[in-house]
Amino acid sequence: DQQVKQNSPSLSVQEGRISILNCDYTNSMFDYFLWYKKYPAEGPTFLISISSIKDKNEDGRFTVFLNKSAKHLSLHIVPSQPGDSAVYFCAATRNTDKLIFGTGTRLQVFP
Amino acid sequence: NAGVTQTPKFQVLKTGQSMTLQCAQDMNHEYMSWYRQDPGMGLRLIHYSVGAGITDQGEVPNGYNVSRSTTEDFPLRLLSAAPSQTSVYFCASGRPHRDRARNTEAFFGQGTRLTVV
Repeated sequence: DQQVKQNSPSLSVQEGRISILNCDYTNSMFDYFLWYKKYPAEGPTFLISISSIKDKNEDGRFTVFLNKSAKHLSLHIVPSQPGDSAVYFCAATRNTDKLIFGTGTRLQVFP
Repeated sequence: NAGVTQTPKFQVLKTGQSMTLQCAQDMNHEYMSWYRQDPGMGLRLIHYSVGAGITDQGEVPNGYNVSRSTTEDFPLRLLSAAPSQTSVYFCASGRPHRDRARNTEAFFGQGTRLTVV
């Protein structure tokens, strides 16, 4: 049973526009959410996180939004750049225990 | 600062063979974990450890063993490899914490691509 879901396997966005990556979760006990970015042949790297007590967290071009009632979070990248092309994983955890990852969304930013 | 080091980077095994994937970290993290990445499945947790001498199962532990004799090392053992274990394996060190000053978001190694024929 997939507790963290990313329903869009891929997304293509023009450079300079906004990229919106979505993630849904089923376990209401999750209290901390993270986004990781992964380039080919590399391990995932941490991007941004949000606690369940907040509904928004911003870090430069990256903003994560959390809608607890809908069990939904999203990652906004503005403006998108070609270097943002990668696979993005959302992850969730409870009491900072083990991380449960989604299936990933491949973002392609084209000129 | 090496971070998380995984060896080997690539491995081909025959069905039934055994092998150990190595993982070492130099960040003095207590928490370490192993994931496998498969197409359409994302990253799935195999085993994890909250400190030396303590291990626990993740989402997909069958067919894998782990041990944690030191803080630095967390090897993953395949006792009898099966084609279903063909995957990319990632070791991670640290775990997320709300206080980022404690800097315990998981740091991942470069991965080991394993093929079982």
